Amino acid sequence: GAVVSQHPSWVICKSGTSVKIECRSLDFQATTMFWYRQFPKQSLMLMATSNEGSKATYEQGVEKDKFLINHASLTLSTLTVTSAHPEDSSFYICSANRVAGAYEQYFGPGTRLTVT
Amino acid sequence: EDKVVQSPLSLVVHEGDTVTLNCSYEVTNFRSLLWYKQEKKAPTFLFMLTSSGIEKKSGRLSSILDKKELSSILNITATQTGDSAIYLCAVDPGGSEKLVFGKGTKLTVNP
Repeated sequence: GAVVSQHPSWVICKSGTSVKIECRSLDFQATTMFWYRQFPKQSLMLMATSNEGSKATYEQGVEKDKFLINHASLTLSTLTVTSAHPEDSSFYICSANRVAGAYEQYFGPGTRLTVT
Repeated sequence: EDKVVQSPLSLVVHEGDTVTLNCSYEVTNFRSLLWYKQEKKAPTFLFMLTSSGIEKKSGRLSSILDKKELSSILNITATQTGDSAIYLCAVDPGGSEKLVFGKGTKLTVNP
């Protein structure tokens, strides 16, 4: 149990275009989902916390107008990178709590974004 | 500011060796400490340690939480090449569901 999927697993896009990444909890309902990005050889950096039916909470320094997060249902959150630039190239990972307030986060497999 | 520090940052050993990875933390209101293993993709959950569960073991992996020293260790005995990965330590500082991650320890096990 506690499987989280992400789609796509990798994507290449041109500068100026937008890319949407989906995060789904397959066998549980996730009231809270988290979006991270990870640069090569670095640790996870939390971008935002996403709660179903409400606006996401962004970490300091993360542009909410650039990284649009929608948590439309208890099993789906989406991250849209708008007007992507090469510096947005990164590994984006989502995670979800299986039980509200629970400690463990279950991670999706990640999405590799390359902006050319 | 909540902080998690892991050491060493990288480690190279031979198969069969035993390794100990360290994690220390400074957080506002500690709730739990988690260990993850990250290979080529996203992290996978290994252990969660709390005040009521300070020691966990699974096969060749074990972990201990020292609340007095604000630290934890992850032990791997009889290492195998498949143990090569980045091991991440994360702490739940309470107050929200966010985790604070350390930078990770990159373990390389050579045959």
